[in-house]
Amino acid sequence: EDKVVQSPLSLVVHEGDTVTLNCSYEVTNFRSLLWYKQEKKAPTFLFMLTSSGIEKKSGRLSSILDKKELFSILNITATQTGDSAIYLCAVEKWYSGYALNFGKGTSLLVTP
Amino acid sequence: NAGVTQTPKFQVLKTGQSMTLQCAQDMNHEYMSWYRQDPGMGLRLIHYSVGAGITDQGEVPNGYNVSRSTTEDFPLRLLSAAPSQTSVYFCASSYSRGGLAGSSYNEQFFGPGTRLTVL
Repeated sequence: EDKVVQSPLSLVVHEGDTVTLNCSYEVTNFRSLLWYKQEKKAPTFLFMLTSSGIEKKSGRLSSILDKKELFSILNITATQTGDSAIYLCAVEKWYSGYALNFGKGTSLLVTP
Repeated sequence: NAGVTQTPKFQVLKTGQSMTLQCAQDMNHEYMSWYRQDPGMGLRLIHYSVGAGITDQGEVPNGYNVSRSTTEDFPLRLLSAAPSQTSVYFCASSYSRGGLAGSSYNEQFFGPGTRLTVL
């Protein structure tokens, strides 16, 4: 059975802190891993990772994939209150027509 | 472009009623899908379609029907609503990245969601 496990499930930090969100997976026919940010509405796309060791970066957010150890991390530096959201990790599979397996998400709250 | 649109935004049903959640996209995306999101559960795939006339089941298809008669529209039908179907429903669409055999789809664009309550 395919699994996507995110940790921690929730996190409270102060503005300016750096946070690391984790996503581990066990799926057959792994194709890519995606990160989404969800505020009080629809998820918005952050990153897609397909190759190990190549960091994707966008502003204060960065992510990397380890295909040997089957995990990914999402880093947020110098957090701001606007980073408060649920961060979703999803794994895409080959030969599935299409299927995204989502983790349960990490709820991040950044306090002033 | 309007992107992915969903109607209605909110809906309250009584147990046993049927209804259709509408989803449309104007990006000419081949792939469309429906997810439900429950507290603490992430998003779970209900049904998906890789093109007009083609649909398939996802992780939690029971109690739902879909059809894809056009590229733009992908309605989700609840046949006989049950309280267990109380959830937030998201429609998503994406383009194909290659068209090669075995290629898949990514960067799904999500609609704003429909919050459904079944009493």
